[in-house]
Amino acid sequence: NAGVTQTPKFQVLKTGQSMTLQCAQDMNHEYMSWYRQDPGMGLRLIHYSVGAGITDQGEVPNGYNVSRSTTEDFPLRLLSAAPSQTSVYFCASSSPTGSDEQYFGPGTRLTVT
Amino acid sequence: DAKTTQPTSMDCAEGRAANLPCNHSTISGNEYVYWYRQIHSQGPQYIIHGLKNNETNEMASLIITEDRKSSTLILPHATLRDTAVYYCIVYNYGQNFVFGPGTRLSVLP
Repeated sequence: NAGVTQTPKFQVLKTGQSMTLQCAQDMNHEYMSWYRQDPGMGLRLIHYSVGAGITDQGEVPNGYNVSRSTTEDFPLRLLSAAPSQTSVYFCASSSPTGSDEQYFGPGTRLTVT
Repeated sequence: DAKTTQPTSMDCAEGRAANLPCNHSTISGNEYVYWYRQIHSQGPQYIIHGLKNNETNEMASLIITEDRKSSTLILPHATLRDTAVYYCIVYNYGQNFVFGPGTRLSVLP
């Protein structure tokens, strides 16, 4: 199993540009989520999904959209990038039994200029 | 907001046990205590979790006090590769994981 994969690893955007961060998992996990991590801080939840077709907002959803058309994929869209969205983005997945650990991807480092 | 409080940083000598404390005084009866760590800028890695009883796996031991208001993660023989930020998280099914700033553990040679 590849686990949780994220692309790209690095991205530089100009203010106002849009892009999609890709996340995929091959563990048949129902639960997937997106976090952002700013320097020296813990992770903050952006959006999450408990299954295909179901998404919900986390702590910091503004400026981001998600969709979940398949169990495997959970893309994160930045609609109009802002310098405040410069961060490292992590995708995670887990099975929804209530006690299973989350598996994290390697992260996407995004810089918005 | 995170439901846990942890020291900002700790040092540990290589080969010694690292004991990382966590306070979670408002934990409810069906909430688990989870520990993750993040090495450098990699994605967080699961370490261990528990509900009431002490737990041990190949990576660490988790000691939860009888009143469940605090816990300690023990790395029995710390190595330089254990240098990381360690997160203590209180979690229940249906909630989301909330990561606080964690404890930065430095293992010193």
